[in-house]
Amino acid sequence: AQKVTQAQTEISVVEKEDVTLDCVYETRDTTYYLFWYKQPPSGELVFLIRRNSFDEQNEISGRYSWNFQKSTSSFNFTITASQVVDSAVYFCALIQGGSEKLVFGKGTKLTVNP
Amino acid sequence: DAGVIQSPRHEVTEMGQEVTLRCKPISGHNSLFWYRQTMMRGLELLIYFNNNVPIDDSGMPEDRFSAKMPNASFSTLKIQPSEPRDSAVYFCASSRSWGVDEKLFFGSGTQLSVL
Repeated sequence: AQKVTQAQTEISVVEKEDVTLDCVYETRDTTYYLFWYKQPPSGELVFLIRRNSFDEQNEISGRYSWNFQKSTSSFNFTITASQVVDSAVYFCALIQGGSEKLVFGKGTKLTVNP
Repeated sequence: DAGVIQSPRHEVTEMGQEVTLRCKPISGHNSLFWYRQTMMRGLELLIYFNNNVPIDDSGMPEDRFSAKMPNASFSTLKIQPSEPRDSAVYFCASSRSWGVDEKLFFGSGTQLSVL
């Protein structure tokens, strides 16, 4: 079975702080894909990143960075110099190779205060 | 591309009524997914289709829920009869058949309130 755990239910920071959102996953497959989605207050789900299990390179995209560590089954997301517009619920998700079922964590609500 | 289109955006109905949610996937996508989002259970996959054929409906909560995909550009999720506990946001998503670079594209969701 596959499972995604986002232990942080809510995080509140002040603008310009760095913040890391944790994601721990469980799967028995050696081939799988990890995702992060953002859900702003408007409600839509916005794709941020996809990473496959064979690529442990960390990725940076502007103020966003992702740290994938198979040894700890984690795929953490860091926002550097947070901004108010980053306020949203962030979901980590997992799909096993050969499947089309994307399983989501419960999400972390990030509030960035001015 | 117009993205995944869902209608209606909001639906308010009374217990016992039939509710039909609609989805138009992105043209060229051949996988379609229905998700439900609630505070208690988060995002749950209800059912998904590949090439218009239902592949896995194990997430459909009970027989009151049914989904169809009569063609590649349209799908419906029906609840009959509706109950207050069905109140949630229902998302439709689509993708090309799973490959190296695929991801799900989500619609804006339908906020369903059953009174």
